[in-house]
Amino acid sequence: GAVVSQHPSWVICKSGTSVKIECRSLDFQATTMFWYRQFPKQSLMLMATSNEGSKATYEQGVEKDKFLINHASLTLSTLTVTSAHPEDSSFYICSARDLRREVDNEQFFGPGTRLTVL
Amino acid sequence: GQNIDQPTEMTATEGAIVQINCTYQTSGFNGLFWYQQHAGEAPTFLSYNVLDGLEEKGRFSSFLSRSKGYSYLLLKELQMKDSASYLCAVRDRGGFQKLVFGTGTRLLVSP
Repeated sequence: GAVVSQHPSWVICKSGTSVKIECRSLDFQATTMFWYRQFPKQSLMLMATSNEGSKATYEQGVEKDKFLINHASLTLSTLTVTSAHPEDSSFYICSARDLRREVDNEQFFGPGTRLTVL
Repeated sequence: GQNIDQPTEMTATEGAIVQINCTYQTSGFNGLFWYQQHAGEAPTFLSYNVLDGLEEKGRFSSFLSRSKGYSYLLLKELQMKDSASYLCAVRDRGGFQKLVFGTGTRLLVSP
């Protein structure tokens, strides 16, 4: 149980285009999903918290108009990188909290999406 | 604000024991997690501490001292496959209970 998937696993796009990344909780419901970005040899940096049915909460320094987050259901959140530039190239990872795990509220991570912007 | 520090890199020998430290300063603490991450993969859960003391799980143990803002991950009987990055993450007490990750420690296990 507690499997989180991401699609696509990798994507290459041209500068100026938009890319959508999906994050799905496969066997549990998640009111809250988190989006992280990880540059090479660095740790995970939280970008935003995605809440089902409401607006996402962005961390300081993260442009909400550039990184659009939609959490349309209890099992799906999407991150759209708009007008992508080479500096947006990174490893994007999502995680989800299982509503049933009230005690420890462990987050389960997706396998990540490698974005390369040419 | 939150500040979480770990050593950048560590090396150890197969079969040995290694301790990875994590110090933190947070405005609201609600638990500390350790994750293992191999290059290009997502983090995988290793341990969780919310109370002071030692939590043991097979070859891995994690210790927490809330008063000192300090935790460590202890890996015993090191294997080559343990070469990975180890991430310390503190859970915020706020409504979303988000995780804030430390700088991460790259561990290299040599024969």
